[in-house]
Amino acid sequence: SSELTQDPAVSVALGQTVRITCQGDSLRNYFANWYQKKPGQAPVLVIFGKNNRPSGIPDRFSGSRSGNTASLTITGAQAEDGADYYCNSRDSSGNHLVFGGGTKVTVL
Amino acid sequence: QVQLQESGPGLVKPSETLSLTCTVSGGSISSYFWSWIRQPPGKGLEWIGRINYSGNTNYKPSLKSRVTISLDTSKNQFSLKLSSVTVADTAVYYCASTLGLYWYDGSDAGAYFQHWGQGTLVTVSS
Repeated sequence: SSELTQDPAVSVALGQTVRITCQGDSLRNYFANWYQKKPGQAPVLVIFGKNNRPSGIPDRFSGSRSGNTASLTITGAQAEDGADYYCNSRDSSGNHLVFGGGTKVTVL
Repeated sequence: QVQLQESGPGLVKPSETLSLTCTVSGGSISSYFWSWIRQPPGKGLEWIGRINYSGNTNYKPSLKSRVTISLDTSKNQFSLKLSSVTVADTAVYYCASTLGLYWYDGSDAGAYFQHWGQGTLVTVSS
């Protein structure tokens, strides 16, 4: 089991808002980062640090954190946002990097 | 724009050593940390380990006894060796640039994977 816990799946109606969470003790001390993963493609970084978007990532993607939980919010989900989303951070020892188990987002 | 490309055998026999190389273009290998990450079929992403520009390494504890990551600055490449492989090591393997995050006081705030290779499928089978 992962030290970062994500819900396995969520669904969202087209144009609506969805929040994906990532929980773990290490998140009290370290940022979570978020990646979009589509079948047959490499992961794409969508949010890193406090709430930073790499160039080319739409501003409908945003990140936040509270206590031991980090969240990725997609505001106005589009059909192309359907994908698996993974968080990453450090493990509880702080010495190694880890991923959450991933959340499958379905846009209805 | 930094680009990464994995290369190596797509089929490895059980008990043998998996060897992959990641070639970095568009940037110096001395500018970042570098990681290997894998995704077994139908499963999630798994960080394997990383190396910094000085050659210092850090591995996932459960894989540490079998993993070696090395750097070749003259070729702008870094490599992964995973020994004594089993079918459980069958996965798509990715290389990625790894950047640090810092709090305002300069203390460690984590790390993220900015640039990724396209991935290469390695199958462990006799």
